Amino acid sequence: EVQLVESGGGLVQPGESLRLSCAASGFTFSGFWMSWVRQAPGQGLEWVANIKRDGSEIYYMDSVKGRFTISRDNAKNSLYLQMNSLRVEDTAVYYCASPGDYWGRGTLVTVSS
Amino acid sequence: DVVMTQSPLSLPVTLGQPASISCRSSQSLVHSNGNTYLSWFQQRPGQSPRRLIYKVSNRDSGVPDRFSGSGSGTDFTLKISRVEAEDVGVYYCIQATHWSSGTFGQGTKLEIK
Repeated sequence: EVQLVESGGGLVQPGESLRLSCAASGFTFSGFWMSWVRQAPGQGLEWVANIKRDGSEIYYMDSVKGRFTISRDNAKNSLYLQMNSLRVEDTAVYYCASPGDYWGRGTLVTVSS
Repeated sequence: DVVMTQSPLSLPVTLGQPASISCRSSQSLVHSNGNTYLSWFQQRPGQSPRRLIYKVSNRDSGVPDRFSGSGSGTDFTLKISRVEAEDVGVYYCIQATHWSSGTFGQGTKLEIK
């Protein structure tokens, strides 16, 4: 059974940092592009970042460039998102996904003072 | 960057009636390997996205046969032959051919009229 399990979400103040992790199982993780996608309360899906199978290509949405870093460890079947300088508008459920195939259940990040 | 455009964004449907959602991409979704990586996902309230259709027209296991996908190149359609109450949710077309930007449309909210 395919599983993507996110962790690391929580409540932080503006300007603080969080690191999200995603543990993958049940498929050949190293064979897939992976993404972080977020969804603010009551809103649609919003793409955050993509990383190629071997990590050699990385793309970010404009509003997170310079603040967020996506990475992966294929030996550990894991995906990460380091989020720095968090803003109120980053509040959302963050999904780990290979968007055309598999999605996790998400982890909630709340940025509030 | 590829832009995915769905229409309509809101779709009120009477129970038992058909429904159709259009998805257009700004670039061809035909991969260099000949495959077209266009999927359709359903997101019910409070849940993560669930795949219904992959590679344009292939139904996932357990998906009712009232769901069908079609299209080619840049134009794709999801059809529901007879809408049931459990079909309420938001539908996304998601492409996995190009990775330099987001991979999905804005979503179409299906509701019962």
